[in-house]
Amino acid sequence: DSGVTQTPKHLITATGQRVTLRCSPRSGDLSVYWYQQSLDQGLQFLIQYYNGEERAKGNILERFSAQQFPDLHSELNLSSLELGDSALYFCASSVEKSTDTQYFGPGTRLTVL
Amino acid sequence: AQKVTQAQTEISVVEKEDVTLDCVYETRDTTYYLFWYKQPPSGELVFLIRRNSFDEQNEISGRYSWNFQKSTSSFNFTITASQVVDSAVYFCALSEAGSPPGGSQGNLIFGKGTKLSVKP
Repeated sequence: DSGVTQTPKHLITATGQRVTLRCSPRSGDLSVYWYQQSLDQGLQFLIQYYNGEERAKGNILERFSAQQFPDLHSELNLSSLELGDSALYFCASSVEKSTDTQYFGPGTRLTVL
Repeated sequence: AQKVTQAQTEISVVEKEDVTLDCVYETRDTTYYLFWYKQPPSGELVFLIRRNSFDEQNEISGRYSWNFQKSTSSFNFTITASQVVDSAVYFCALSEAGSPPGGSQGNLIFGKGTKLSVKP
C-alpha cells in the first residue's frame, strides 16, 4: 500500500459526459501528479500540483482540468468525454520536488461507452 | 529530447531463471533520476528503485539488482532466481531536474514497459 488513495476504482460513463476523479496524497506529501495510461500512448504525464498551485503541465487536453485543495487532495475533471479517453488514470504524490520518489495510487479505470 | 527505451516488449522465463530487463535513456540534463516501477496484473504501480545521475554504484536488494552505466545511458534491472510472483510489467522512468523547455521539471517519463512472464 503506497498510502495514496484514489476514488472511484472504476467508472463507466457515456460519451459527452463529465467525470471527476479524486486523489488523496500520502501524509506529508505536498506534490500531486496525474498520469494517464492507455494501450496506445503508454504512461503519460498530465499535470502536477504543488501545495495547491499548478507546477507543471504535460499532455493534458483542454477538456481536462485539475486542482489541488487546501487539504492537499486533488481532483481531475474530464469533460466532453470521448471513446479515446478510456484509460487508467493514476495519481501519484511526492514529498516536494518532482525528482523525489513518486508513489502511485491504485488508479481509476475509466471506460467511456 | 528526453526519452526512455525498453526494447524488450515481452520476456518469458521459467521459474528460477535469471532475467535482465534493459532500459536505455536519453537526456541533455546533467542532473536526473532513474526509476523502476512494477505493475502486477492487479494494476497498481509499485516503486522499486530511484537512482540519481551522480551515483553509478550498482545496487542489490534481495533478488533484485540494478546496473547503472552512464557511459551507455543504461539502467538495467536483473531479477535473480525469478519467481511466478515476479510476473508483471516493469517500467523504467526518467525524471530531470532541469526546468522546461530543456528539462522535464521532474515529471516522470516512462518507457513502454517490459512484460515479464515467469512460468512454473
